[in-house]
Amino acid sequence: QVQLVESGGGVVQPGRSLRLSCAASGYTFSNHGMHWVRQAPGKGLEWVAVIWYDGSKTYYADSVKGRFTISRDDSKNTLYLQMNSLRAEDTAVYYCATDGGNFHSGSSHMNVWGKGTTVTVSS
Amino acid sequence: QSVLTQPPSVSGAPGQRVTFSCTGSSSNIGAGYDVYWYQQLPGTAPKLLIYANKNRPSGVPDRFSGSKSGTSASLAITGLQAEDEADYYCQCYDTSLSGVVFGGGTKLTVL
Repeated sequence: QVQLVESGGGVVQPGRSLRLSCAASGYTFSNHGMHWVRQAPGKGLEWVAVIWYDGSKTYYADSVKGRFTISRDDSKNTLYLQMNSLRAEDTAVYYCATDGGNFHSGSSHMNVWGKGTTVTVSS
Repeated sequence: QSVLTQPPSVSGAPGQRVTFSCTGSSSNIGAGYDVYWYQQLPGTAPKLLIYANKNRPSGVPDRFSGSKSGTSASLAITGLQAEDEADYYCQCYDTSLSGVVFGGGTKLTVL
């Protein structure tokens, strides 16, 4: 069955960097766009970034633009999120999810989710 | 403040029907983009509940239904069950932001 497993979370000081990974299995990873979505403690869902199925395009929420980079390695069936210049407000559970639609046409949505990895930014 | 507006909470007794509203604008729902709904049970990851306004993924009971009109969308649950107690989020694409947007979520309490 389709499975997404995030890793790489932890406690990090403000201003430092962290890289999250999302290992995919049970489907053809290279055929699907991928998202990162985060959820701060006690708060709602916030979309972070998307990467197209072929890695040719990436889009980001304004809150992370210029600091975060989404990428993928189809040979490893793995999605990444490089997070630089981390701030306290980046503290959240980070979920990866498959795109069940098409970002270009505006039909992007998350049809399979991982269980999430927790990032805490604190001194 | 979320781009899509949802009421913070909704409640209902077992067996009743409840509805969740999701209000957007001319740059998202009103622009014709589809609306998606997710259910997040306590302590778990979200799960896709409704896609493209009114369609249910395999395995989602027909007690759940969605609709869209103008700049708003709605999710309805009939025959409310205790296991439906969760947070519910709507989601759409926003052309002004060039990105995906979520509502703030509605917490369902089954009385």
